[in-house]
Amino acid sequence: QKEVEQNSGPLSVPEGAIASLNCTYSDRGSQSFFWYRQYSGKSPELIMFIYSNGDKEDGRFTAQLNKASQYVSLLIRDSQPSDSATYLCAVFSGSARQLTFGSGTQLTVLP
Amino acid sequence: DAEITQSPRHKITETGRQVTLACHQTWNHNNMFWYRQDLGHGLRLIHYSYGVQDTNKGEVSDGYSVSRSNTEDLPLTLESAASSQTSVYFCASSRSEGNTQYFGPGTRLTVL
Repeated sequence: QKEVEQNSGPLSVPEGAIASLNCTYSDRGSQSFFWYRQYSGKSPELIMFIYSNGDKEDGRFTAQLNKASQYVSLLIRDSQPSDSATYLCAVFSGSARQLTFGSGTQLTVLP
Repeated sequence: DAEITQSPRHKITETGRQVTLACHQTWNHNNMFWYRQDLGHGLRLIHYSYGVQDTNKGEVSDGYSVSRSNTEDLPLTLESAASSQTSVYFCASSRSEGNTQYFGPGTRLTVL
């Protein structure tokens, strides 16, 4: 079983809608959680990180963490065509001292 | 501005040749990482370093080596390139363990 699982998609939403991206992880000792966005042919860039249970908002983006359920999600409100990209969930395990990435979810926002 | 650079950006080589990919960061970060990205596999960790003279193997380290002689650089060497090593390689750095990793632009390597 892969340590960090994401729905591979593709996920399509209309412009202006809320896009919901989900990620589950297997290591209960995981400490830090990251969402990266990667445009085709480009390198991953950080959108948000979250360390504590609950919600963290930054502009149109909200990260949600539930450590009991080993679940982290990213909500994108008022989705724009420029949000079309692959979104990577990454989880840091203190015991493994490594960041593990999910395979990514490809999001397309339709004008 | 601080940045992380990789060179070359594109490389074509033949099987059996030794190849070195360069990574240079001016963030003054302690930690540096090498990943490869292939369709269907996402980003996989090859090697990482948590300081000068420190190197560690990641998930897919076979056929690769690194050395860390200063804070700024972590070159990745493919000792004898194989077609299975055709991939996009990303270098990253972070201030400390568990902190945000910042990625370089990537190197697309083709092994014929």
